[in-house]
Amino acid sequence: EAGVAQSPRYKIIEKRQSVAFWCNPISGHATLYWYQQILGQGPKLLIQFQNNGVVDDSQLPKDRFSAERLKGVDSTLKIQPAKLEDSAVYLCASRRLRGRNTGELFFGEGSRLTVL
Amino acid sequence: AQSVTQLGSHVSVSEGALVLLRCNYSSSVPPYLFWYVQYPNQGLQLLLKYTSAATLVKGINGFEAEFKKSETSFHLTKPSAHMSDAAEYFCAVSRSQAGTALIFGKGTTLSVSS
Repeated sequence: EAGVAQSPRYKIIEKRQSVAFWCNPISGHATLYWYQQILGQGPKLLIQFQNNGVVDDSQLPKDRFSAERLKGVDSTLKIQPAKLEDSAVYLCASRRLRGRNTGELFFGEGSRLTVL
Repeated sequence: AQSVTQLGSHVSVSEGALVLLRCNYSSSVPPYLFWYVQYPNQGLQLLLKYTSAATLVKGINGFEAEFKKSETSFHLTKPSAHMSDAAEYFCAVSRSQAGTALIFGKGTTLSVSS
């Protein structure tokens, strides 16, 4: 089966500009996550969706970050306006809700953001 | 609240030597524990997971981990390191097997020298 797809792989912007990242999860995976991975740190959860509903967005900086998953399939994460500290890799992951191996998160290759 | 602590941000071993990456967890409920590996410029890949069945868990690429409740540990081991094992390793904890998000440690970089 195809893996989690993310785009773009790399993005360089100046502070105060906006950026959007796209994720297409594995087909049939109801749960989708966006993680932020700052250099030298482990991934930190930003938001979790189940189908098209938000399950957990407690760590999402809502003054500048937004995310949606309108049809319960692909998702978009937006940052507006970007700050220097937003430089990180943004990882998308998906998970099967029922059946075999529900515990495993499948990760995309990530979108690396550099804010200048 | 749940958390994991990975002891040692960088571990260096020689090829053929034992690999030991340490992870301690904190959880108010029986935890589900995971080890992921990340190669440069790639996403994370599951190595193995503990879901309250056997305490000794075998994963891919010859890795295994043992869940020790008394020590709140879930250390990752491999008897003989290979050059291809050089990567970043993350320990993670979850409240349940399905649904809830994983909380990751800060990671341990494994270097393997010939």
